[in-house]
Amino acid sequence: DAGVTQSPTHLIKTRGQHVTLRCSPISGHKSVSWYQQVLGQGPQFIFQYYEKEERGRGNFPDRFSARQFPNYSSELNVNALLLGDSALYLCASSLLSEAFFGQGTRLTVV
Amino acid sequence: GESVGLHLPTLSVQEGDNSIINCAYSNSASDYFIWYKQESGKGPQFIIDIRSNMDKRQGQRVTVLLNKTVKHLSLQIAATQPGDSAVYFCAETQGRAAGNKLTFGGGTRVLVKP
Repeated sequence: DAGVTQSPTHLIKTRGQHVTLRCSPISGHKSVSWYQQVLGQGPQFIFQYYEKEERGRGNFPDRFSARQFPNYSSELNVNALLLGDSALYLCASSLLSEAFFGQGTRLTVV
Repeated sequence: GESVGLHLPTLSVQEGDNSIINCAYSNSASDYFIWYKQESGKGPQFIIDIRSNMDKRQGQRVTVLLNKTVKHLSLQIAATQPGDSAVYFCAETQGRAAGNKLTFGGGTRVLVKP
């Protein structure tokens, strides 16, 4: 069984650029959430999508956006990248209350 | 893989001993609590959960204790093994809906000494 898959695994971007991160949930899971994990800290909630609708948003600027597609996969977009956006971006999919995380995308902004 | 917990509190434990990891949560309205294990270069992995109507739940080699009075959660690992070396996070949320926002604690690094 495939778990949550994220792409790319690593990414290096320059300040001011934009980035798109992708997530495929576990088959049958309709909820996808995105988290940012800065080195040395716990993950911080960014967005939750359920059935293609945004159901929750964390305390992140409007530079962060996301969407969910009919096949329940999801994209996280970040515009005008800042050095502080360097982090591990995690996607989690859920069928019920338990969340299953992918391995994350390591984004480095230089 | 790159470490996820360079500056986290660290618990060093001898292989075979029991480990206890503590967590204080902040939201009195939280009613579902989860422990995650995160190894270097990987995403968090579910270990065990507990709902607020319980004060103890046991799994395979792990036990979670919940004290709602003082908003405290603990994870006990029996007979700690080298494969248990990782960073452990507690998380809290409200409600049972799929994908509800998880609020994570700061994490504890566990180092198992052979």
